[in-house]
Amino acid sequence: NAGVTQTPKFQVLKTGQSMTLQCAQDMNHNSMYWYRQDPGMGLRLIYYSASEGTTDKGEVPNGYNVSRLNKREFSLRLESAAPSQTSVYFCASSEALSGATGELFFGEGSRLTVL
Amino acid sequence: GENVEQHPSTLSVQEGDSAVIKCTYSDSASNYFPWYKQELGKRPQLIIDIRSNVGEKKDQRIAVTLNKTAKHFSLHITETQPEDSAVYFCAARPISSGSARQLTFGSGTQLTVLP
Repeated sequence: NAGVTQTPKFQVLKTGQSMTLQCAQDMNHNSMYWYRQDPGMGLRLIYYSASEGTTDKGEVPNGYNVSRLNKREFSLRLESAAPSQTSVYFCASSEALSGATGELFFGEGSRLTVL
Repeated sequence: GENVEQHPSTLSVQEGDSAVIKCTYSDSASNYFPWYKQELGKRPQLIIDIRSNVGEKKDQRIAVTLNKTAKHFSLHITETQPEDSAVYFCAARPISSGSARQLTFGSGTQLTVLP
């Protein structure tokens, strides 16, 4: 059981370039999430997918797009990278049952630098 | 929406001493409060959580207390060890949502245990 795997682990982009962060989970979870982590700001939700076929904006969606390719995979795309998107990105998944705690299982993170 | 404030942002303790991290939340509908630990360069992982129908929960050297009236909850680590050094995040959400979508994180506390 690999849990949540995301790629790449590190990436350097120039302003205006595009890239896609890939995420896959093998826990048969319905819900998947993309967070960004910046110093002093905790974990902020970019986009989430409550179930296969649905996606919705989180707290900081501007400049990002997502695709829930199937139940396992949830990708995050930066169409035109900006220095403000320099961050560590975490993909996460959880079971989404009403009344459940919804523990988040995180990937190892992707450190993105935009020059 | 929910606002979670976490204090202190950094905390240094001597090995063997206790550490306390405090969080306050704003939304009275929140009734699930998890704590995540993130070791340097690693992914956040759930270490303990509490629901609003419980005032305190313990798991070996860690405990969480909740005061719903005052809207604050705290993480207590006793007999601290070097491996407790990490960033700790508190979070809050209404459990009825069944999803981590409405999970709001605090800004994190960097705990350093000095030998």
